Amino acid sequence: SQKIEQNSEALNIQEGKTATLTCNYTNYSPAYLQWYRQDPGRGPVFLLLIRENEKEKRKERLKVTFDTTLKQSLFHITASQPADSATYLCALANDYKLSFGAGTTVTVRA
Amino acid sequence: GAVVSQHPSWVICKSGTSVKIECRSLDFQATTMFWYRQFPKQSLMLMATSNEGSKATYEQGVEKDKFLINHASLTLSTLTVTSAHPEDSSFYICSARAKGQINTGELFFGEGSRLTVL
Repeated sequence: SQKIEQNSEALNIQEGKTATLTCNYTNYSPAYLQWYRQDPGRGPVFLLLIRENEKEKRKERLKVTFDTTLKQSLFHITASQPADSATYLCALANDYKLSFGAGTTVTVRA
Repeated sequence: GAVVSQHPSWVICKSGTSVKIECRSLDFQATTMFWYRQFPKQSLMLMATSNEGSKATYEQGVEKDKFLINHASLTLSTLTVTSAHPEDSSFYICSARAKGQINTGELFFGEGSRLTVL
């Protein structure tokens, strides 16, 4: 069966450090992978998209890698700030539909 | 940026009643809208995909007679939960894909609608 697994439910880090989140998948052949941010009681907000032929993508303090051999994506938040505290979801595209992981909740301590 | 508006943001209803949730794309045309349901601390589960002017495609295990979806225009899709029961209480979120962006992937999400059935 298809699975999308994100590492640990929660990640607590000190302000200024780098947060690294993992997304592993099985039985998918995604054309692209996306990362979203979700705040409590709100809808997800798109952050980054990386295609199957791309190894790395950056946007400001965010970096995403995509290894289709390992079937894994890593999401990095560098120089983290308390405002980065949220749940981060990875999503895989399959047939133009998105399937989501359960998310990793990041808390950045001041 | 593209904005998707969902209404109502929260609703409480009695068991057995029907509830309608609206999803509007405010500044773009959405050929495809998706409806998700999210239970606490769980991932978003796709319920159905709706294309403007045609019938919605439901995911396995989602009752199409219970969750009625209408996508009457390029800017409006509605989800009606018919004869709601307490187990239908959840966070319902719509998302839209802009016309001409089938392959770019980005979805624009509404703010979600919290349904509580008493």
